[in-house]
Amino acid sequence: DGGITQSPKYLFRKEGQNVTLSCEQNLNHDAMYWYRQDPGQGLRLIYYSQIVNDFQKGDIAEGYSVSREKKESFPLTVTSAQKNPTAFYLCASRASGGGEQFFGPGTRLTVL
Amino acid sequence: GIQVEQSPPDLILQEGANSTLRCNFSDSVNNLQWFHQNPWGQLINLFYIPSGTKQNGRLSATTVATERYSLLYISSSQTTDSGVYFCAVRGGAAGNKLTFGGGTRVLVKP
Repeated sequence: DGGITQSPKYLFRKEGQNVTLSCEQNLNHDAMYWYRQDPGQGLRLIYYSQIVNDFQKGDIAEGYSVSREKKESFPLTVTSAQKNPTAFYLCASRASGGGEQFFGPGTRLTVL
Repeated sequence: GIQVEQSPPDLILQEGANSTLRCNFSDSVNNLQWFHQNPWGQLINLFYIPSGTKQNGRLSATTVATERYSLLYISSSQTTDSGVYFCAVRGGAAGNKLTFGGGTRVLVKP
């Protein structure tokens, strides 16, 4: 099946711990994105990458880090510096040169 | 950056009713998408429509790029249409980023 997978679906972490969210795509898309959604709100961009080994900060990058070592993978690390990490995290990808953006199923992160 | 406003914020419909959702944006765009977020949080692609009109079953969308708005029409609504509808645009100075509106929350009652 072609698409975007995110794991885990639910994630619980203690305060002060770093945690990494996985995002994998087999659509051969160059661009990948991470968004955060808080309850009752729209999506806000955390980081994006247009090509392997390159990425840019979005609107709310503080407390997060990413890597893009492979075209298929764009993991997001939520660090202990993120003040309010409990949220729904969505990964997306898009072919280069414009066009439609597609989303994965999301990961719900809860900080205990 | 580009601003995206959706209206109304909430909409309650009786099953079988028609409705129109609106998306206004503040700058020229080269991409506009409509999504439906289901109760499990999954974003479903409805339309990729930077300009013109498209139809898919009971849903249709129109974007008038020169006037900076897009409309999503739901006809003969069903309970499965409930959820949040998002408009998202790419354009202006931030050409590589998709900016989302706040969404319209739709509840279709049987």
